[in-house]
Amino acid sequence: GAGVSQSPRYKVAKRGQDVALRCDPISGHVSLFWYQQALGQGPEFLTYFQNEAQLDKSGLPSDRFFAERPEGSVSTLKIQRTQQEDSAVYLCASSLETGPSNQPQHFGDGTRLSIL
Amino acid sequence: LAKTTQPISMDSYEGQEVNITCSHNNIATNDYITWYQQFPSQGPRFIIQGYKTKVTNEVASLFIPADRKSSTLSLPRVSLSDTAVYYCLVGDIMNSGYSTLTFGKGTMLLVSP
Repeated sequence: GAGVSQSPRYKVAKRGQDVALRCDPISGHVSLFWYQQALGQGPEFLTYFQNEAQLDKSGLPSDRFFAERPEGSVSTLKIQRTQQEDSAVYLCASSLETGPSNQPQHFGDGTRLSIL
Repeated sequence: LAKTTQPISMDSYEGQEVNITCSHNNIATNDYITWYQQFPSQGPRFIIQGYKTKVTNEVASLFIPADRKSSTLSLPRVSLSDTAVYYCLVGDIMNSGYSTLTFGKGTMLLVSP
């Protein structure tokens, strides 16, 4: 079946612009995660959804970052008034269920965001 | 949060067995140990997961000693296409019952001809 799909794959924006990144998780997956990956680093957790509920947004770096998953499937990560330090790869992952840590997460290939 | 420590890089040659060891001294009772592989311009890909002793699948084996304070990912007969970053993770169960992942910098494995 189809994996996690993210769009666009690449996004270039000028500093100060707003951007929206989309994630289509695997159908039926309850849990959805967003991660930020800087060059040469491992992914860092941003936020977590269980269906449409955003249960954890502790990793969002500032109030310019906003995520939603209104119908419990597709999710959008929005960054307002982008700054150069927002340049990174943004990864989305989904997993079938919640609960113990034995639920593998399935990642998309990310959106590479470059802020000029 | 449970943290992991693994070598920054490793080198190998085609056909050799590669063992990458990860330490996780503060692992909690409920935590599983999971390994992911990441190629450039791709998202991490799940390789293997275990709780204790040994787990084997079609691509790798995972060895976990009784104290669970470390684990070793074993890749048999690596090929050039196994060149990638390998992450060792210990799942953290949050208060709401879900699990998130804390990635380190991973181990960059370079396989040469």
